[in-house]
Amino acid sequence: IAGITQAPTSQILAAGRRMTLRCTQDMRHNAMYWYRQDLGLGLRLIHYSNTAGTTGKGEVPDGYSVSRANTDDFPLTLASAVPSQTSVYFCASRKTDGNTEAFFGQGTRLTVV
Amino acid sequence: RKEVEQDPGPFNVPEGATVAFNCTYSNSASQSFFWYRQDCRKEPKLLMSVYSSGNEDGRFTAQLNRASQYISLLIRDSKLSDSATYLCVVKNAGNMLTFGGGTRLMVKP
Repeated sequence: IAGITQAPTSQILAAGRRMTLRCTQDMRHNAMYWYRQDLGLGLRLIHYSNTAGTTGKGEVPDGYSVSRANTDDFPLTLASAVPSQTSVYFCASRKTDGNTEAFFGQGTRLTVV
Repeated sequence: RKEVEQDPGPFNVPEGATVAFNCTYSNSASQSFFWYRQDCRKEPKLLMSVYSSGNEDGRFTAQLNRASQYISLLIRDSKLSDSATYLCVVKNAGNMLTFGGGTRLMVKP
């Protein structure tokens, strides 16, 4: 693994099903983020984690949960998917010391039908 | 009002033109500022950080105006390959990164 990786790259999901989007980074970044990107709405923060063991809610957290059991992994779970969760999901990570940039995964394109 | 606002465009410019984008932010306590570039169906990638004194990277110049709470990006001598969406990003004290909606640039021959 080099950088930050998301899986799957795309998924079609039936409404009501549970789904976990995976995100793994090997840069030892302490902060990780989940965004969704929708046309006309830009990137909106779902949940974030400043360090392993802690998480926080972003702008649009409802219907999503996260965990941060270790530094490298930050999975995003949809407990019961709804069509409005159809979106492109991006995971990102960064070091929190200084003016450092965030690095993004390739994205997961999720369609809930 | 959105925390970070950008003109969505699109800005249609000919090759070789100079184009400028502005971005306004509402949180006066914002600490760090960035410009990202996003190509169609790809992830955002850092274009440049924005420093208080302004900074330049080749054909790209970024400026920060804390008093008026806006940042700008100037692209000189536009290339076809500059066609993309440019995202303004603001970091606040809680380490959260807030994105503007993006400005779409189309450079034409």
